[in-house]
Amino acid sequence: GAGVSQSPSNKVTEKGKDVELRCDPISGHTALYWYRQSLGQGLEFLIYFQGNSAPDKSGLPSDRFSAERTGGSVSTLTIQRTQQEDSAVYLCASSLEGMVDTQYFGPGTRLTVL
Amino acid sequence: AQSVTQLDSHVSVSEGTPVLLRCNYSSSYSPSLFWYVQHPNKGLQLLLKYTSAATLVKGINGFEAEFKKSETSFHLTKPSAHMSDAAEYFCVVKTNAGKSTFGDGTTLTVKP
Repeated sequence: GAGVSQSPSNKVTEKGKDVELRCDPISGHTALYWYRQSLGQGLEFLIYFQGNSAPDKSGLPSDRFSAERTGGSVSTLTIQRTQQEDSAVYLCASSLEGMVDTQYFGPGTRLTVL
Repeated sequence: AQSVTQLDSHVSVSEGTPVLLRCNYSSSYSPSLFWYVQHPNKGLQLLLKYTSAATLVKGINGFEAEFKKSETSFHLTKPSAHMSDAAEYFCVVKTNAGKSTFGDGTTLTVKP
């Protein structure tokens, strides 16, 4: 069956530009998560959606970062005025509702800010 | 608040010898605990999870982990390492608020 998909797989942008990253979760999964994995560092939690609402936005690093989810499905992570320190792999995961459910990860979007 | 500490950033073992990847956690609530593996240029894959049932959890590829509440630990073990086990391993704690906290990862190297 189809897993979590993310697009684009790679994105190179100039400093100061805005970027949008897209995540398509597994059909029927109500929970969706965004993480960031920087070179040499672990995974950093960014935001969590349950349905279309985001009960936990505590991981967003600054007000340049925002995310939305529509129709309980697709999510977009937007980074405005990108900085070089935003360069990382952005991972999306989805799960059935509930704390014990396994998260299924997408392949990630590798963002490079020049 | 919750946190995860993976005690070793790198572990190197010889093929056929046991593997131990250590993880300690802290959580204000009864957590769920997970181990994920990430092979080079591949996505994250779940190895196993603890969800307040049996304290000894068996996962894929011969891995196991034991939840020890008194030690706040969830160490990952495998009796005999295989070359294909070389990867990065992440310990994760998750509470009912939905937030997952990942450890910094342990890179496992398997020598022939």
